[in-house]
Amino acid sequence: DTAVSQTPKYLVTQMGNDKSIKCEQNLGHDTMYWYKQDSKKFLKIMFSYNNKELIINETVPNRFSPKSPDKAHLNLHINSLELGDSAVYFCASSRHTDTQYFGPGTRLTVL
Amino acid sequence: AQTVTQSQPEMSVQEAETVTLSCTYDTSESDYYLFWYKQPPSRQMILVIRQEAYKQQNATENRFSVNFQKAAKSFSLKISDSQLGDAAMYFCAYRPHTQGGSEKLVFGKGTKLTVNP
Repeated sequence: DTAVSQTPKYLVTQMGNDKSIKCEQNLGHDTMYWYKQDSKKFLKIMFSYNNKELIINETVPNRFSPKSPDKAHLNLHINSLELGDSAVYFCASSRHTDTQYFGPGTRLTVL
Repeated sequence: AQTVTQSQPEMSVQEAETVTLSCTYDTSESDYYLFWYKQPPSRQMILVIRQEAYKQQNATENRFSVNFQKAAKSFSLKISDSQLGDAAMYFCAYRPHTQGGSEKLVFGKGTKLTVNP
């Protein structure tokens, strides 16, 4: 059984397009996160939601907009994609301040 | 701001041998958590081990153990009896123990571990 799932696993698109990545967790957790892993493998937090409420919003361009329709889902929508957005995006979840469990990642390539 | 430093970009070990990966961190908090995550080529982030700062006893998980030195702000990972499947990027991560505040993980830059047969 998949604990944290993301779709799609791979996303290739042109500059200027708008795309979404979906994340779902079936662990009953109340907090979900988006992390970005750049080409040098460095991982950095982007957003965090607790019970559908935005808790963390790091310095991320406002072209990135997270949406949490319910506690089990956290989607990431990206407008006007740029070359620098190419990265692996990880969704994670936790039960409040407990250990975070990660999804398989979505590799986004912007051409 | 909290920072995590992994000073070894790459390490290698012979199969069945022991290897230690280093991690230091900087924080003014007294209560926090430390983690080691493993990222194999499949890119899945897998939790290896977790340590609560208030616990003096070092965490262990089978062949994985940590040496947690709170005063020195050091958190190294020891892998015993290394196996080919241990080959991966290893990330050290820190998170403060706050209630209703920021629960983000702060990661080091990772150490790439190669296991030689």
